[in-house]
Amino acid sequence: EIVLTQSPGTLSLSPGERATLSCRASQSISSSYLAWYQQKPGQAPRLLIYGASSRATGIPDRFSGSGSGTDFTLTISRLEPEDFAVYYCQQYGSSPLYTFGQGTKLEIK
Amino acid sequence: EVQLVESGGGLVKPGGSLRLSCAASGFTFSSYSMNWVRQAPGKGLEWVSSISSSSSYIYYADSVKGRFTISRDNAKNSLYLQMNSLRAEDTAVYYCARGDDGYKTFDYWGQGTLVTVSS
Repeated sequence: EIVLTQSPGTLSLSPGERATLSCRASQSISSSYLAWYQQKPGQAPRLLIYGASSRATGIPDRFSGSGSGTDFTLTISRLEPEDFAVYYCQQYGSSPLYTFGQGTKLEIK
Repeated sequence: EVQLVESGGGLVKPGGSLRLSCAASGFTFSSYSMNWVRQAPGKGLEWVSSISSSSSYIYYADSVKGRFTISRDNAKNSLYLQMNSLRAEDTAVYYCARGDDGYKTFDYWGQGTLVTVSS
């Protein structure tokens, strides 16, 4: 089973700052199958990034993804007030078919 | 506009059963795989089950295998999750999510339905 570990658990930043979120896999995974989601309180998750670095439909270009092998990063170049949320990485594998990281909470400092 | 609307959640006793439904609209339902993902209160996301577009391929998380059954009716644009032998640890918001078979993501999500298993 591939385990995804996200860090930090909580990130405290101010609007306008740059956010860097990490997702580390317990073994190498295909970049094609690494995604990032944003979830705000009381809402369903929203797909942000697929294929490690491609933005989903309607996602602003301040969101970017990078990485390969076991280390992946979600970067938000300049935080807007609406970006404060919980972020999850997700991978597709064999068993279980899909796994999620435990999440990073991005909070306002 | 893609819409996924879950229903069927509620309070059920341990050992009981519940059937969740997800009504899809705004896309060609029969062309997409569909999934159930759950989130326990205050916790992270957990994949539960997936079904291919024609129901040929079905997968379950180990935590629900043998107790939950996923199905779909393409004529009715609907996805289902039959949940039997429910346990307290099944308490969660259950989301219906459309699958992207190319990149293996969940590209659209419903608003979720809460299942509470408690005596």
